[in-house]
Amino acid sequence: ELKVEQNPLFLSMQEGKNYTIYCNYSTTSDRLYWYRQDPGKSLESLFVLLSNGAVKQEGRLMASLDTKARLSTLHITAAVHDLSATYFCAVDHFGNEKLTFGTGTRLTIIP
Amino acid sequence: DTEVTQTPKHLVMGMTNKKSLKCEQHMGHRAMYWYKQKAKKPPELMFVYSYEKLSINESVPSRFSPECPNSSLLNLHLHALQPEDSALYLCASSPEGGLHEAFFGQGTRLTVV
Repeated sequence: ELKVEQNPLFLSMQEGKNYTIYCNYSTTSDRLYWYRQDPGKSLESLFVLLSNGAVKQEGRLMASLDTKARLSTLHITAAVHDLSATYFCAVDHFGNEKLTFGTGTRLTIIP
Repeated sequence: DTEVTQTPKHLVMGMTNKKSLKCEQHMGHRAMYWYKQKAKKPPELMFVYSYEKLSINESVPSRFSPECPNSSLLNLHLHALQPEDSALYLCASSPEGGLHEAFFGQGTRLTVV
């Protein structure tokens, strides 16, 4: 059974600081997705990482994938309040339509 | 049109009621999904339809009954639900199952009383 874990579960950080969220998964996969969810809202797709070594950046967020270590990171640079949300990574199974979500990281940016 | 539209946005139903959740997409996606999300938890997959056929049922109780009338529509029929079924129900679609990112609708907030 595929397990996807995120670390940390909760993160409170000051504006302007840098931090990294980690996503570990238990079985082989080379497709990983990052989503953002605001309270009471749906999921917004942030990044799609489709191969080992993939790196994508959008604004203050950068995501990377290491399939050998079964690890993805979401790096936040110079955080701003608007980035406060819950961030989920998700992994799909090879040749399967099932998407398994990580535990989520609730990020709070403090002014 | 790059949206997945869900109706209703909110639903309150009694345990003896029958109701349906609806989901629609016009992106030509061939895979559609139902997820259930409890508060402060990640979404959990319930059903997957691929090319209008049910391909995955994650051992969901029979009081939840999915239906895919055509490639653009996905329904979730609800009957005899329990209060613990209260959750946010999310519909998603993707160009093909398992190969692309899933696009999520705004969800239906369901409360069972």
